[in-house]
Amino acid sequence: AQSVTQLGSHVSVSEGALVLLRCNYSSSVPPYLFWYVQYPNQGLQLLLKYTSAATLVKGINGFEAEFKKSETSFHLTKPSAHMSDAAEYFCAVRNSGGSNYKLTFGKGTLLTVNP
Amino acid sequence: SQTIHQWPATLVQPVGSPLSLECTVEGTSNPNLYWYRQAAGRGLQLLFYSVGIGQISSEVPQNLSASRPQDRQFILSSKKLLLSDSGFYLCAWGPGGSSYNEQFFGPGTRLTVL
Repeated sequence: AQSVTQLGSHVSVSEGALVLLRCNYSSSVPPYLFWYVQYPNQGLQLLLKYTSAATLVKGINGFEAEFKKSETSFHLTKPSAHMSDAAEYFCAVRNSGGSNYKLTFGKGTLLTVNP
Repeated sequence: SQTIHQWPATLVQPVGSPLSLECTVEGTSNPNLYWYRQAAGRGLQLLFYSVGIGQISSEVPQNLSASRPQDRQFILSSKKLLLSDSGFYLCAWGPGGSSYNEQFFGPGTRLTVL
């Protein structure tokens, strides 16, 4: 079975600082991985996805994530935080086998950006 | 391009009343459709998913039900709401037949049961 662990339910950074949101996964097959962002009272928006084409994945809004198989990680980074990045971020992995229509989501990390 | 709509955006209902939330997708055919609920501080909970008209899979036994009367329409219902049904309900779609099964979310419905 697949699982996702997001380390840190709340991360706080200063504007202009590096953003690092951690995600570790467990999967019995080569994973497909996703990062989503959710702004208050809105739906989730797909930031980026890893589909085995390249280990460094670039997404929208300047975010990128690196797939590291040896560490079973897919951490999300952005070199310089902006106030508009304040939101909740979810990591997800596609299920395998007969339930591969589904995604397993982490519990989310709330990012706060301080001026 | 594809778009997903949900309505209503907000809803306040008394305990014991019925519920109907609607989700429609435009610009694609034969999508996979999903209903999720977010309760405060509890992350995303998958409630139902559907890979075709009339095909509904339930993830969590409760007093909710789902239907897919048309290819791009997904409805979440309840005959009698409970206080615990309060939350933010999200509909999502994914490309049918996709290897990656990424999902795209609607704007959500905020349900408050009083």
